[in-house]
Amino acid sequence: DAMVIQNPRYQVTQFGKPVTLSCSQTLNHNVMYWYQQKSSQAPKLLFHYYDKDFNNEADTPDNFQSRRPNTSFCFLDIRSPGLGDAAMYLCATSSPGQAEYEQYFGPGTRLTVT
Amino acid sequence: SQQGEEDPQALSIQEGENATMNCSYKTSINNLQWYRQNSGRGLVHLILIRSNEREKHSGRLRVTLDTSKKSSSLLITASRAADTASYFCATVTGTASKLTFGTGTRLQVTL
Repeated sequence: DAMVIQNPRYQVTQFGKPVTLSCSQTLNHNVMYWYQQKSSQAPKLLFHYYDKDFNNEADTPDNFQSRRPNTSFCFLDIRSPGLGDAAMYLCATSSPGQAEYEQYFGPGTRLTVT
Repeated sequence: SQQGEEDPQALSIQEGENATMNCSYKTSINNLQWYRQNSGRGLVHLILIRSNEREKHSGRLRVTLDTSKKSSSLLITASRAADTASYFCATVTGTASKLTFGTGTRLQVTL
């Protein structure tokens, strides 16, 4: 089945220690998104790629970076995680040709910062 | 902020009852979408309604859209315990390829 996969599902990192979260998709969608979601809050868009075109949200901290080496994969790098970065990180994909940017979400990676 | 507001923030009903959630947004939209999120999981797309549509149905779901009031509602009929989740509205505006999420409604359906 076509899907969005996130690894790992749970990630524990130490304060200040760089961490990378990964996302892959078999949907062949043009657009990939990274969201941060804290408890009982709405997902907050960090950035997205439209093909190779990177789009950063204005309020996304510099501590967060992303890479998309090919259509299928996208990575979220947190250079120096702080306690406030503990959250669920959601990856999603969409395609303009498919249902007007309906998004397909992965199961998320829950990040704990110790 | 472009974020929409949803109400109620939390809703508790018994199985078999109907659940209604409301969403308001701030700018003109291309479409509005509703998503469900089970606890600790990703979001699942439920239904999309375009700006030129007023009502849409999908199974037990009914969505309405009032662009003059910049609001939408999601009705879940004959609710089941498995409907327990958070529900988010999200809007697509202009040529943007991104969603703006509402604050969400937590629905609890009890037996």
